[in-house]
Parts: sequence; structure tokens; C-alpha cells
Amino acid sequence: EPEVTQTPSHQVTQMGQEVILRCVPISNHLYFYWYRQILGQKVEFLVSFYNNEISEKSEIFDDQFSVERPDGSNFTLKIRSTKLEDSAMYFCASSVSTENEKLFFGSGTQLSVL
Amino acid sequence: GESVGLHLPTLSVQEGDNSIINCAYSNSASDYFIWYKQESGKGPQFIIDIRSNMDKRQGQRVTVLLNKTVKHLSLQIAATQPGDSAVYFCAENMNPGYSTLTFGKGTMLLVSP
Repeated sequence: EPEVTQTPSHQVTQMGQEVILRCVPISNHLYFYWYRQILGQKVEFLVSFYNNEISEKSEIFDDQFSVERPDGSNFTLKIRSTKLEDSAMYFCASSVSTENEKLFFGSGTQLSVL
Repeated sequence: GESVGLHLPTLSVQEGDNSIINCAYSNSASDYFIWYKQESGKGPQFIIDIRSNMDKRQGQRVTVLLNKTVKHLSLQIAATQPGDSAVYFCAENMNPGYSTLTFGKGTMLLVSP
């Protein structure tokens, strides 16, 4: 069964450093998303992306965050200068369309900012 | 504001029992709802969805009920198995027509053999 894959599974970084989280969405999907989950809390929406543009973003997705689809398969989330509070599990998701379609999630990248 | 913390509501059942997990959603305009299952260290896994023009939808061993009058969603799991132990999240599309989902806080289901 097709799945969303994310790398790395764990990332440890120093405060102030840049990190790039990588995702390979399901191949025939057109809509891509990043969510995050702080330990013990609910899954929070960060950003959605379609046709090489951001479709929606939340208040969490400030100027320190950016997304990119650098080629036909990868979808990345960059955090320019990490803060302690960026420590979380980051999930990538994709969907076929945006018209009330279920999202398929990857297994996540656990980001720890020290 | 909404309280956050490390403690999830927990439902403990015996193997073979039927489980009911409840969720209150936020937006009366939401027209699409999903239940996800999340096992430890994994991403959310789709269980079942329902659109707002329906009150009930059944899958394999699972049923979702939607009560729009009181903005309530429930997930029923028949003959619960130890492998069903996980955190269950309901999610709604706060922006009708879009798939951007807003998740609820989650309920932990513990199934004892």
C-alpha cells in the first residue's frame, strides 16, 4: 500500500540552528501538509501546499518556517532558527484532492531542540 | 482558553467488549469529519470518515455517528481487540471544502486481554 515517508525519524539540533525535515508524499497525491504534535498534545496544523504554493497556514507557521517542493517527489519543511518550543513530532501528510478527502500521514520526524 | 496537558481521557475495556469514544467538535459549519488512530511513535492512521449529510457510517468493526444538533461525533468499535489500543483523535475540516483538518485532543483506548 502506498505510504507517506519521512526522514529522518529523529533529529536533534541546537537552538538557533536550521533544520530541514523531508517527506515523500504518495505519488498521485496533489496536496501536501505539515502538522506537528507536541508531546502529549493534539495534532496541530501548520501548512498546506498545492501547485507549488502555500494554500493555508496557521498562526504557528511564522517567518521561521518555510516549505518547498524541490523536485517531483520531495516536500520539505525548513525551520530557519530553531527554538526550544519547536521540539515536537512533525508529521507530513498528503491527499488526492482538497475536497473533503482523507489525509494520509507519515510516521513523523521527532525534532528535539537543545 | 483551551487547557492542554499530558493527561488524555482514557477508556479501559476488556477484549471483546464494544467501545464508544466520544468527541465534541467546534465548528457548526464543518462538513467533513474523520477518526484517526495513533499508536505510540507512529503517525495518525485513518479509520473512518463521514460527511455532514450523513448521520451514521459503518466500516469494518467501526461505526461513526454524527449528531450535528449538539456537534457530537462518536466512534464505536465492536469486539474490541488488544490491537485496538491506541489514542483516537477526531478531526473536522474547519474550512468547508478544504481538507485542512483540525484535530481534537484525543482519547486513549486501553484494551485488556
